[in-house]
Amino acid sequence: DAKTTQPPSMDCAEGRAANLPCNHSTISGNEYVYWYRQIHSQGPQYIIHGLKNNETNEMASLIITEDRKSSTLILPHATLRDTAVYYCIVSFSGGYNKLIFGAGTRLAVHP
Amino acid sequence: DTAVSQTPKYLVTQMGNDKSIKCEQNLGHDTMYWYKQDSKKFLKIMFSYNNKELIINETVPNRFSPKSPDKAHLNLHINSLELGDSAVYFCASSHRTTGTNTEAFFGQGTRLTVV
Repeated sequence: DAKTTQPPSMDCAEGRAANLPCNHSTISGNEYVYWYRQIHSQGPQYIIHGLKNNETNEMASLIITEDRKSSTLILPHATLRDTAVYYCIVSFSGGYNKLIFGAGTRLAVHP
Repeated sequence: DTAVSQTPKYLVTQMGNDKSIKCEQNLGHDTMYWYKQDSKKFLKIMFSYNNKELIINETVPNRFSPKSPDKAHLNLHINSLELGDSAVYFCASSHRTTGTNTEAFFGQGTRLTVV
């Protein structure tokens, strides 16, 4: 079973920041937080991952709380193409990406 | 250039048939995976191979047999297809590193319909 809890759906206006929360209260010390998204039944697409520190790349920012029990994915300027299901995944750092997907958050970006 | 490619993209077949789905990656990764996404949209890992060696085998009927001829290819053969096998099957690959994880790259999926 997935070790994360996400809201089932969220809305965001185009051009605004989308903040997607994720709870992972049972995360252990060597587990990373990953975010993937799936656009309309395409293959999942990697967005970002982190262990303790906040991370930023060209797609998004990841904010992880100090106790690591929750995180927030931030899409700074959402576009219509960001409409997708976003998955927050906790994954063991053993070297094999055994990704356990939950139900994710369906983000709808509207004009 | 497609990083992870699967063929065919769509597959419609009758119950009881045997079919294969092929997957190839040109990323130089040493680990490949098969995931299944059912009608309820849940993605579940089925198998993983590292350098042609099976390392993850979730509870999957033995009608499903992965085969990895080399580390760039991981094919999925399904015997005696059943209606419940209808799903989208995704292949993925990643590079294994010690002590940390790297991201997985997914193919575009194969939509299997058993009639």
